[in-house]
Amino acid sequence: EVQLVESGGGLVQPGGSLRLSCAASGFTFSSYDMHWVRQATGKGLEWVSAIGTAGDTYYPGSVKGRFTISRENAKNSLYLQMNSLRAGDTAVYYCARNYDRGAFDIWGQGTMVTVSS
Amino acid sequence: SYVLTQPPSVSVAPGQTARITCGGNNIGSKSVHWYQQKPGQAPVLVVYDDSDRPSGIPERFSGSNSGNTATLTISRVEAGDEADYYCQVWDSSSDHQGVFGGGTKLTVL
Repeated sequence: EVQLVESGGGLVQPGGSLRLSCAASGFTFSSYDMHWVRQATGKGLEWVSAIGTAGDTYYPGSVKGRFTISRENAKNSLYLQMNSLRAGDTAVYYCARNYDRGAFDIWGQGTMVTVSS
Repeated sequence: SYVLTQPPSVSVAPGQTARITCGGNNIGSKSVHWYQQKPGQAPVLVVYDDSDRPSGIPERFSGSNSGNTATLTISRVEAGDEADYYCQVWDSSSDHQGVFGGGTKLTVL
């Protein structure tokens, strides 16, 4: 079964750091671009970052310089290092597999990140 | 940055056809993808590349894209189709960016 499972969410103080993980199974992880997408409670989806099969990375302005996406193909794992966290980063974070032309065809169940003092 | 605009809500009676629009500057030149999200669940891809369906998605779900508007059409709407729907593109025109519309709440009357 093709599956993505996120972990690492939790409560962190403003200015703090957190590292999210996403474990992939059921497919050849190294062959796919991967993404992180977040959703604040009651709000819409927001794309957070992407990493290509060659390790190229992309970010929106809202997280650029604070978040770092990485992958470890030997462990079938995707990561999101989040630094200088703000209250506005509070959300459920999903990892997602890239399909054709930037569509996200497989999603994890999400992990909750709460930034609060 | 590229902006996608969706109506906040659409209502339709069971058995009727729902159309959810997604507006963007010359969106017809981009590949548009659509997601369904039910409360407490992760999004599910229902249409990709404007009009293709992933395996397991009913034929009732279809898409089109031209000019400045993309449309998700749900035929013979069922109660189980009630959900939030999001359009999305990958904007590689300048900086590579994923872009989502604000989402549309589909209510089945």
